Amino acid sequence: SQQGEEDPQALSIQEGENATMNCSYKTSINNLQWYRQNSGRGLVHLILIRSNEREKHSGRLRVTLDTSKKSSSLLITASRAADTASYFCATEGMNRDDKIIFGKGTRLHILP
Amino acid sequence: KAGVTQTPRYLIKTRGQQVTLSCSPISGHRSVSWYQQTPGQGLQFLFEYFSETQRNKGNFPGRFSGRQFSNSRSEMNVSTLELGDSALYLCASRDSYYGYTFGSGTRLTVV
Repeated sequence: SQQGEEDPQALSIQEGENATMNCSYKTSINNLQWYRQNSGRGLVHLILIRSNEREKHSGRLRVTLDTSKKSSSLLITASRAADTASYFCATEGMNRDDKIIFGKGTRLHILP
Repeated sequence: KAGVTQTPRYLIKTRGQQVTLSCSPISGHRSVSWYQQTPGQGLQFLFEYFSETQRNKGNFPGRFSGRQFSNSRSEMNVSTLELGDSALYLCASRDSYYGYTFGSGTRLTVV
């Protein structure tokens, strides 16, 4: 299965600190995506990084991709209370008809 | 532009009944995917429709079905509901380049 697995499952940090979440997957991918979900709501797309890219930034978010290790990391800098949410990585396979597979997520809690 | 709209937001059904959920994708998006989210199993892929054709299907029983209309709106149907079908059902649409845009989901409770 190409399913991504996030690590850690849960993370609590102080407001202002940086949060790092990792994702590992098993098969070759076309791209990897990160999503955020606030309690019981729909997922919000954060960043898509393609297999030929190594790093991408969006505001306080930084995503890296290491295809040799089949892993990705999401860094949130200067965390805020509003960053409290679950974060999911999702992988899309190489074939045009491959479905996007989600990991089980990392629950991030920002402490005031 | 308007986002992905799912209706209804909440639904309570009795075991054995059937239910139909609706999803209107972002205008111009032809791909619509459905996911079931539960605390134990996480996000499980149900199916994807593209231009009215089912392009991909997850490992769910035949009680779960879907369709897509010519205007890209999609419906999913669950027949003979079981308690284990209680979940948040998420619909997502996408264009060909970027990731998904998700709706807010339909929370289905089977009693």
